[in-house]
Amino acid sequence: GQQLNQSPQSMFIQEGEDVSMNCTSSSIFNTWLWYKQDPGEGPVLLIALYKAGELTSNGRLTAQFGITRKDSFLNISASIPSDVGIYFCAGTSRAGTASKLTFGTGTRLQVTL
Amino acid sequence: DVKVTQSSRYLVKRTGEKVFLECVQDMDHENMFWYRQDPGLGLRLIYFSYDVKMKEKGDIPEGYSVSREKKERFSLILESASTSQTSMYLCASISSGGAETQYFGPGTRLLVL
Repeated sequence: GQQLNQSPQSMFIQEGEDVSMNCTSSSIFNTWLWYKQDPGEGPVLLIALYKAGELTSNGRLTAQFGITRKDSFLNISASIPSDVGIYFCAGTSRAGTASKLTFGTGTRLQVTL
Repeated sequence: DVKVTQSSRYLVKRTGEKVFLECVQDMDHENMFWYRQDPGLGLRLIYFSYDVKMKEKGDIPEGYSVSREKKERFSLILESASTSQTSMYLCASISSGGAETQYFGPGTRLLVL
């Protein structure tokens, strides 16, 4: 099955630093999503992107849907300890009548004080 | 508030046992999904269902089966558990008519001895 290439695999940053992560694919997706997973929990949606070129913010988070529809990035500004977790990108495609998500391999973020 | 629940947070089973993982959503969503999550591999789709009694194979269906007898419930079955199936299992649901976002359950961490 297809997977998205997500980088970096892990990051260790200091509180207050900005963070950037990205996802690339060989296929076009209709929608790009960014999720965060806290330890022991399921992923929670952070940002959804629906149009090529779209730039969307959610508080300190900003994400963009690449013009080619094959990539996306997520930025976190002024990181805080609660930003710790695993961040996943995902692209949606249709599988019959269902929407199907393809996930990236995740970026593990650690924030030090 | 949207809710996806999974029957167990942690399970320990022996090789060869039959294992049932249950997922229930209260949002009247048509589409439901089962993923497994492994370090460095992200989330991989096992099976999905877009209607009652309908099922489709995902990217890694081998060793698994599913059941969708009611709209709100989607079960994942390991007919004969193996140690390679030790993993985190995540259930998700999505409405076919709405935005293409999936809501996840908290996950079941399965250990097969």
